[in-house]
Amino acid sequence: AQSVTQPDIHITVSEGASLELRCNYSYGATPYLFWYVQSPGQGLQLLLKYFSGDTLVQGIKGFEAEFKRSQSSFNLRKPSVHWSDAAEYFCAVVYNTDKLIFGTGTRLQVFP
Amino acid sequence: EPEVTQTPSHQVTQMGQEVILRCVPISNHLYFYWYRQILGQKVEFLVSFYNNEISEKSEIFDDQFSVERPDGSNFTLKIRSTKLEDSAMYFCASSEAKNIQYFGAGTRLSVL
Repeated sequence: AQSVTQPDIHITVSEGASLELRCNYSYGATPYLFWYVQSPGQGLQLLLKYFSGDTLVQGIKGFEAEFKRSQSSFNLRKPSVHWSDAAEYFCAVVYNTDKLIFGTGTRLQVFP
Repeated sequence: EPEVTQTPSHQVTQMGQEVILRCVPISNHLYFYWYRQILGQKVEFLVSFYNNEISEKSEIFDDQFSVERPDGSNFTLKIRSTKLEDSAMYFCASSEAKNIQYFGAGTRLSVL
């Protein structure tokens, strides 16, 4: 079955520290890959996407993600976290249909 | 920047009542979606809609649910007879083609 795994439920980092949020997907074919962010009381905002081509993709707010086919992973990174980055982060994939399949999310807490 | 608009932001209803959740997708988009997120759980796909008909629906989207695009701008989700387990955040999304989905801020449905 198609699924997305985000192994870290909750991550805490200090402001200015680097960040990596993990995401793995199942199923053999390479899907379209997305990262969304959800701030408290807000909707889901698209951070970045991967369809094909360069496996390192840049997104908004200084985020980037790297697609690694051999590991079925699409990890999200940011070199220096800001307090405003505290939110819930969702990895999502699309296969042959147009429905997004979401991971369970990682809640990021940032300490000053 | 164009955005998906959802109303109301919070809907409280009694069990067994009908509710209609409203969405105004981005104006030039052709594909429309509903997702839901039960508190503490992942975001789940409900239904996709294109060319005035449902293109895909999940197991969750049973006979109690229906969608409609009553005019050129609105996209609605109706739950005929709400159950306690329908309490969730409901997200509307739209896309120009079968690629990037843009989400609204959501409607929190509380069934009492």
